Formats: sequence, C-alpha cells, structure tokens
Amino acid sequence: GESVGLHLPTLSVQEGDNSIINCAYSNSASDYFIWYKQESGKGPQFIIDIRSNMDKRQGQRVTVLLNKTVKHLSLQIAATQPGDSAVYFCAENMGYGGSQGNLIFGKGTKLSVKP
Amino acid sequence: SQTIHQWPATLVQPVGSPLSLECTVEGTSNPNLYWYRQAAGRGLQLLFYSVGIGQISSEVPQNLSASRPQDRQFILSSKKLLLSDSGFYLCAWSSGGHPTDTQYFGPGTRLTVL
Repeated sequence: GESVGLHLPTLSVQEGDNSIINCAYSNSASDYFIWYKQESGKGPQFIIDIRSNMDKRQGQRVTVLLNKTVKHLSLQIAATQPGDSAVYFCAENMGYGGSQGNLIFGKGTKLSVKP
Repeated sequence: SQTIHQWPATLVQPVGSPLSLECTVEGTSNPNLYWYRQAAGRGLQLLFYSVGIGQISSEVPQNLSASRPQDRQFILSSKKLLLSDSGFYLCAWSSGGHPTDTQYFGPGTRLTVL
C-alpha cells in the first residue's frame, strides 16, 4: 500500500561493516521484488531483483533474501562504503496479477555510513 | 546502451499555471513508459503508464494528464497546477515484454508550485 509518514527509518553503520535493510511487503501474490537505491536529488537506481521462486540472490557486495512465509525481504550490503549512503526502497510487482508493471514501493530506509 | 532523459531538472511554477514535463528514452524500441511522483520523504506513487504510442493508463485520479506522441517520448501535463502537485516527478522505462521487466528511472524533475 501507500507509504505513510515523513520520517524514514534510518540505519547508521560504520564503514566496512555489513548492512542489513529490511522490508515487509503486502501482497502474497507478488511475483517479483526489486531493491532500488536513491541518492539525494536523483532517480532510483536498480540494485538487485529476485523472483518469487527464489529465496536468495547474490550480486556484487549485495544479497537479497526473500521469505515468502512472513512476506519479508532483506538487502544485505557487505563491507559498506560511504558511497552506499542513500535511501533504499524495496518494491513488489504482482506480474500479470496486477496492472502492467505496477510497482508498489515500500517506505524506504535511509542508510548512513560513518567513516 | 539505453538512456533516459528528463527535463527540466527543476521547475518553479505559480498555482494555476500549465505544466509540461518531458521524458525521452534512447537505445530501445517500444518500451513501457511510466510517470511516478515522489512526495518528500516518501516512496513513489505510480501516476501513469503507457505500453505504446497513444496508449495511456491512469493509476490515480488527479489534476495531471499524460501523452505519448512518439514511441520513446512521454509527456506529463497539467492545464492548471495546484499546490499539491509539488513533488519529485520520475519517468521510468521497461523493455515491455513482461510486467515484471525491470524498470529503470530517469534523473527526475523537482517541481515546486507556489
């Protein structure tokens, strides 16, 4: 559903530590999930995606985990760097069960990396 | 490679004035195109999407309209802006083969209505 509130959850980590950003999605029929990174004043940038027939997918320094039982998605960033500071959004897509390409975005989490 | 452009980057307009935001995509044919709005500190809300020239679907009732006069051009318009139209407007494209094809976003337009 629509995100509410003006205060984003914030995660503050030390440079070099691992980060875990969590997201709860709303629709058990969702077929596809995406993580986006949005830096201040810029458009969202695709990071990684996962389909509902998988529970884990790895990219370069990032891993997405999907738990369909509890409708939970997480993004793990290894060896977090100052350039990782941004707002991270998860998005769900119902595929043919929804309107064409309708992404439903989560509230977003602001990641701050301390040097 | 594919690129997506939006202009202007920022815009300040008085209440009641018209609006035209433009989005163009390069390096792909027959993309799906999307307009989103992002209010401060919030996620993105889908406004319109288009699967082809002249084909527009509206997701929410509002003061805005969209048009797709060419395959890779998507325009967001308003005849009379409201204060509530302020926000960050994002255009996105996907390859159009499947609803779950990845959507890629443009740099956005920051609109302030005074």
